[in-house]
Amino acid sequence: DIQMTQSPSSLSASVRDRVTITCRASQGIGNDLGWYQQKPGQGPQRLIYAVSNLQSGVPSRFSGSGSGTEFTLTISSLQPEDFATYYCLQHFRYPFTFGQGTKLEIK
Amino acid sequence: EVQLVESGGSLVQPGGSLRLSCGASGFPFINFWMSWVRQAPGKGLEWVANIKQDGSETYYADSVKGRFTISKDNAKNLVYLQMNSLRVEDTAVYYCARNRYFDFWGRGTLVTVSS
Repeated sequence: DIQMTQSPSSLSASVRDRVTITCRASQGIGNDLGWYQQKPGQGPQRLIYAVSNLQSGVPSRFSGSGSGTEFTLTISSLQPEDFATYYCLQHFRYPFTFGQGTKLEIK
Repeated sequence: EVQLVESGGSLVQPGGSLRLSCGASGFPFINFWMSWVRQAPGKGLEWVANIKQDGSETYYADSVKGRFTISKDNAKNLVYLQMNSLRVEDTAVYYCARNRYFDFWGRGTLVTVSS
């Protein structure tokens, strides 16, 4: 199975901060990498697909980058509604696997 | 607007069975793979199963293989997850998601396996 190692597991930040979350795959996954946001009591929402493509309706402060085995999600200027948990997903090979999650909290 | 609404979650005893349903609207259901993803209380996300547009291919996580069955009714815009031989560790919120890479999600339905 492909392991997705996500870091950090938690992060405290302030409004208007720039934050970066990283996912490392245990083997190459091509472009088959997405990022998801989950708020308490809600289903996840996809933010980024194919490493760097912004889902329709998602604010442009979210961006994704990377290649091979290392990928990042960047939020350029945190807004109050961005405090949530974030997950990466590889869908290159079955079983599809998620990172462990990053809980982004208000400092 | 894409909408996915799960139903069927409840409390069930270990060894029991349950069938989850997911109703879809707002997109041509027949053209899409569908998936189930679960989340144990306080834990992360775990892919469970997915099914091809016409139902001809299905894939399962090892943790549920042989016990769970995903199916799709394109006439009714429904996707199902039949869960048999349930275990305590199957306790989770079960989400229905569109596509193999989960571009839209429902709000989930809670399955509790406990005696």
